[in-house]
Amino acid sequence: QVQLQESGPGLVKPSETLSLTCTVSGGSISSYCWSWIRQPPGKGLEWIGYFDYSGTSKYNPSLKSRVTISVDTSKNQFSLKVTSVTAADTAVYYCARGGYNWSYGGLDYWGQGTLVTVSS
Amino acid sequence: DIQMTQSPSSLSASVGDRVTITCRASQSIDIYLNWYQQKPGKAPKLLIYAASSLQSGVPSRFSGSGSGTDFTLTISSLQPEDFATYYCQQTYSTPPDTFGRGTKLEIK
Repeated sequence: QVQLQESGPGLVKPSETLSLTCTVSGGSISSYCWSWIRQPPGKGLEWIGYFDYSGTSKYNPSLKSRVTISVDTSKNQFSLKVTSVTAADTAVYYCARGGYNWSYGGLDYWGQGTLVTVSS
Repeated sequence: DIQMTQSPSSLSASVGDRVTITCRASQSIDIYLNWYQQKPGKAPKLLIYAASSLQSGVPSRFSGSGSGTDFTLTISSLQPEDFATYYCQQTYSTPPDTFGRGTKLEIK
């Protein structure tokens, strides 16, 4: 059974960098696609970006200049960094697994989510 | 960017009712449309992928249909555990990968 677990600080100061890690167990991160999604309190889902086993990464254009997704295959983890955060980045952040092909299959495994609050 | 219009935004229904939620894309997305269910405080759960394929373990009362620009999620007979928020997601054109704004399904 594939499991994902987000970890990282729950509070980040404005203008600083938000950093989260997703640890994958029960399956290899060297296959499939892996994604970050966020959800501001009381609002809908926003896709942040994904990477796949070939090394391709794609990001939401609204965040692209501030977002980096990286992978550590030795630890079976992938990470998210969002720079220059503001209160608008306050959200529950989820990591999730996509299909072998991003377009086909949907996000079938999700972490439980972690709330990140941007505040001084 | 492809825009996803999900309707209705909220819906009241009773146990046993048949319910349909729609998602319309601003341009053709072939069959690259997924449906998720989210309960308060929980991560979304994949119900339907590729417009009409039922995700493993999901009850057969859930079904999806459509292609091109118009899609529907149908729950044939509502159960108490189905009251939640439902989202569609297009994966035809990435980035960005667009979610609908959600449909909150409430008990009448």
